[in-house]
Amino acid sequence: EAQVTQNPRYLITVTGKKLTVTCSQNMNHEYMSWYRQDPGLGLRQIYYSMNVEVTDKGDVPEGYKVSRKEKRNFPLILESPSPNQTSLYFCASSSGSGSDNEQFFGPGTRLTVL
Amino acid sequence: GIQVEQSPPDLILQEGANSTLRCNFSDSVNNLQWFHQNPWGQLINLFYIPSGTKQNGRLSATTVATERYSLLYISSSQTTDSGVYFCAVTETSGSRLTFGEGTQLTVNP
Repeated sequence: EAQVTQNPRYLITVTGKKLTVTCSQNMNHEYMSWYRQDPGLGLRQIYYSMNVEVTDKGDVPEGYKVSRKEKRNFPLILESPSPNQTSLYFCASSSGSGSDNEQFFGPGTRLTVL
Repeated sequence: GIQVEQSPPDLILQEGANSTLRCNFSDSVNNLQWFHQNPWGQLINLFYIPSGTKQNGRLSATTVATERYSLLYISSSQTTDSGVYFCAVTETSGSRLTFGEGTQLTVNP
């Protein structure tokens, strides 16, 4: 089954404790991205990657890091989480080019930073 | 950047009713998608429809790219249709999806 997976689905952590949210897709997509969703602010892009070893900042990259060492994986790293990073996070992927660049989303990760 | 406006912001229906949700966007796009966010927070792809008309069961969508709007039709609504419906677009010059603020749909039994 074609899908985007994220882990963990739920996480409660404390300020300053480094964490990684994994994202993996099995559709051989070149384009992957991370979004966060917050009440009143909607969904905003954090980082994106057009291909392996190519990443770029989205609208709200501060406090996050990403890497794209393999085509299928695009982990989101919070080096020193803070309470304002409490949010619902989504990973997405698409073929990224041409006339068919439909984006597919993972199930989401609910992160709470105390 | 591109602006995406959805209407209405809230909609309450009785089961069995029909509804139309609208999405206006401010610039040319090469991608337009409709999503349903269920009560568990998951974003479900409904339609990928940068232009034209598509149907999937009780749902259908139409995008008129030249006039910069898209419509999502829900017929014979069911309680399981409740949730937030998002329209999202990608500008022709970019790759990021820009989301509208959504329509909160409540279907009562």
